[in-house]
Amino acid sequence: GAGVSQSPSNKVTEKGKDVELRCDPISGHTALYWYRQRLGQGLEFLIYFQGNSAPDKSGLPSDRFSAERTGESVSTLTIQRTQQEDSAVYLCASRGGFSYNEQFFGPGTRLTVL
Amino acid sequence: SQQGEEDPQALSIQEGENATMNCSYKTSINNLQWYRQNSGRGLVHLILIRSNEREKHSGRLRVTLDTSKKSSSLLITASRAADTASYFCATDASGTASKLTFGTGTRLQVTL
Repeated sequence: GAGVSQSPSNKVTEKGKDVELRCDPISGHTALYWYRQRLGQGLEFLIYFQGNSAPDKSGLPSDRFSAERTGESVSTLTIQRTQQEDSAVYLCASRGGFSYNEQFFGPGTRLTVL
Repeated sequence: SQQGEEDPQALSIQEGENATMNCSYKTSINNLQWYRQNSGRGLVHLILIRSNEREKHSGRLRVTLDTSKKSSSLLITASRAADTASYFCATDASGTASKLTFGTGTRLQVTL
């Protein structure tokens, strides 16, 4: 596809369950980011992948959060033992190509933890 | 923590008026970018200004940057109802475009 896609668009889960969120970046983009946005707030950086380098995990809020990316393709963000405070929109962005400094965002996954 | 702080937090204007949003940041930057977000979903890149630039234009958008004051402003001229959205500034301090730090955003409402 032409843009960044994310799935699912909405996810409702019960407290304590694990969830997996998926991001398909723009083809050829070497950099991929995950952000969290709580209601009415700005974006919180979670993790950054660049090619085959070790990811920058400095924004992950706890060890319940993890993310993987295979090469320069799909990434998954996993939240284990979800808590109500994990409820937020999780946004993925990719970067690369000629618009080197611009991040292209997906539509996000709205996670609700009951 | 947020690098950028936008003000005002919310702005309501009528169609045809100009809208000005401000962003302040804390550390030295390589460039500063403005993004728009509709309906709390994906962000769209609007404009980038480098640290050695003072002003930049793109259509109805005008961005200024004052590195001595660590501040930037976004001006939208002749606003339209379709400009209703949240606007975020994002700073790139790395010089490698590796990570952006987003501000808290300004919610703009343009009424007919």
